[in-house]
Amino acid sequence: DIQMTQSPSSLSASVGDRVTITCQANHDISNFLNWYQQKPGKAPKLLIYDASNLETGVPPRFSGSGSGTDFTFTISSLQPEDIATYYCQQYDNVRIAFGQGTRLEI
Amino acid sequence: QVQLVESGGGLVKPGGSLRLSCAASGFNFNYYFMSWLRQAPGKGLEWVSSMSGTTSYTNYADSVKGRFTISRDNAKNSLYLQMNSLRAEDTAVYYCATAVTFGGVVVRFGHWGQGTLVTVSS
Repeated sequence: DIQMTQSPSSLSASVGDRVTITCQANHDISNFLNWYQQKPGKAPKLLIYDASNLETGVPPRFSGSGSGTDFTFTISSLQPEDIATYYCQQYDNVRIAFGQGTRLEI
Repeated sequence: QVQLVESGGGLVKPGGSLRLSCAASGFNFNYYFMSWLRQAPGKGLEWVSSMSGTTSYTNYADSVKGRFTISRDNAKNSLYLQMNSLRAEDTAVYYCATAVTFGGVVVRFGHWGQGTLVTVSS
């Protein structure tokens, strides 16, 4: 069964800070890991796919890395518009699972 | 541009039924796997169901299997979710989304609608 452990659950940072969120899978998932941003009251938006690929139109301050069981999402220089909840998402042949989310505050 | 508009949400009693719709535009609907996802109030995201573009392949989360049915009408560019035997724990905002696939497997969700709220309460 897919299980994702995302941390931290919440994070407070300042404009300009480097922010890091981690996601851990309970088994080797290669690079099958995506990251989404959800602003309050809005639908989620895909930012990073296959662990490290930036979705078209997403600012380069967002990045992802990792493979196997451990993954990292980074905002290199936090901007006010980055206030949101961030989710990792994994998949296998029949199931899709999201991490618990990380609420980012300034 | 891609647009997805959900409708059909509302208040329903436990054990009741509801049918959600998603109107799609701005892309070739026939070619895309489509999915439903949901988010309970103040909670995280949960994948609910996916359906292929033309082969009628469907897949469901264990939490809704046997109670929910996904369907689509490609002539109307529309996706549906028939929800039966609704429970309080089905209360959530329901989103439809385009699904990116690889080898027939849904791997991520590219475009999302704005969501429709379903509340199950007596």
